[in-house]
Amino acid sequence: QQQVKQSPQSLIVQKGGISIINCAYENTAFDYFPWYQQFPGKGPALLIAIRPDVSEKKEGRFTISFNKSAKQFSLHIMDSQPGDSATYFCAASPMYSGGGADGLTFGKGTHLIIQP
Amino acid sequence: NAGVTQTPKFRVLKTGQSMTLLCAQDMNHEYMYWYRQDPGMGLRLIHYSVGEGTTAKGEVPDGYNVSRLKKQNFLLGLESAAPSQTSVYFCASSYLTGPQQPQHFGDGTRLSIL
Repeated sequence: QQQVKQSPQSLIVQKGGISIINCAYENTAFDYFPWYQQFPGKGPALLIAIRPDVSEKKEGRFTISFNKSAKQFSLHIMDSQPGDSATYFCAASPMYSGGGADGLTFGKGTHLIIQP
Repeated sequence: NAGVTQTPKFRVLKTGQSMTLLCAQDMNHEYMYWYRQDPGMGLRLIHYSVGEGTTAKGEVPDGYNVSRLKKQNFLLGLESAAPSQTSVYFCASSYLTGPQQPQHFGDGTRLSIL
């Protein structure tokens, strides 16, 4: 079964520090790797995504690093702020699945707390 | 704008009761999805729809039924609720399938089965 393994399950970082969340996948057909951010009581929202033709993508304080040979990707949050406290999900999907849902396979989530 | 709206937001049921969760989107999206979120399990796909009148099973479809009679609505039904179905249910929609087509999520329905 397709799997995306996410770690750590929970993470506490001091304000101003770097938060790092890691994900690993097995299915080489995966071709799209988004990260979703979820605040308590809300649904997940797309934060940033990457395709494997690049090794890094940066949007503001958020960076995805991608290692295709190792089948790993990670989210780095620079200068972490209390407002970044949320649950983060990595996900993966194949580029096209022939009419299927292109079901995003989600990691199990990381509960991030940024301490002031 | 509303985006994806789920009703109800909270519900408590007794074992064996039935209910329907409603998802409505106003973005003219073709694809719609139902997920359940359980602690430590992430998001798991229950059913999805690639267009009006079509539905398909996801990863955990047992005990649920769905219908997509109108493009903007996607209904999730529990015919005979069980305690194992206690969860937070999220609906999502996307314009098309494929990469770089983000799924837009509602704020969830918190369902408790006693």
